[in-house]
Amino acid sequence: NAGVTQTPKFQVLKTGQSMTLQCAQDMNHNSMYWYRQDPGMGLRLIYYSASEGTTDKGEVPNGYNVSRLNKREFSLRLESAAPSQTSVYFCASSTRTVTDTQYFGPGTRLTVL
Amino acid sequence: KQEVTQIPAALSVPEGENLVLNCSFTDSAIYNLQWFRQDPGKGLTSLLLIQSSQREQTSGRLNASLDKSSGRSTLYIAASQPGDSATYLCAATNQAGTALIFGKGTTLSVSS
Repeated sequence: NAGVTQTPKFQVLKTGQSMTLQCAQDMNHNSMYWYRQDPGMGLRLIYYSASEGTTDKGEVPNGYNVSRLNKREFSLRLESAAPSQTSVYFCASSTRTVTDTQYFGPGTRLTVL
Repeated sequence: KQEVTQIPAALSVPEGENLVLNCSFTDSAIYNLQWFRQDPGKGLTSLLLIQSSQREQTSGRLNASLDKSSGRSTLYIAASQPGDSATYLCAATNQAGTALIFGKGTTLSVSS
């Protein structure tokens, strides 16, 4: 039982490049989330998926797109990376809703030059 | 709009001391409040979840309390150990129950 896994662990991009962050959970959870964590800002919700086939914007969605590929997988795409998107990205999941205990992945550290 | 504040930002204590971490939130219409632990370079680990109807939750040496009327929660750690050194974050739901709003955390250092 791996819990929540994220790939890659580290990534360096140049401004304007695109990439997709992958997240998978093996706990049969309905809800999945993408956060970013920046020094002095705390964790902020980018997008979430309450169930397979649905996605909604969080607090800071601009510059990102998401896909809930199936119940297990939730990906985050940066179409044209900007230095302001340099951050640590965390994926999380919960049984039913955001009000349930959330389980976090180990994070992806992204640097945009 | 829900805002969550944690004070102090950092705390250093000797091993064995009992300590309290504070969390305040601006909107009392919460579904629950959650406490997490984050080790350097790692993801978050859930410690305790207090439903809005509860006053406290306990897990081992950890006890979290919730006072919705004053917009405050505390995390009490008994007999602290060096292994407790980490950043502790609290998070409260927004009024719609669609998001967790996180504080910036308290970084705890326990010296042996």
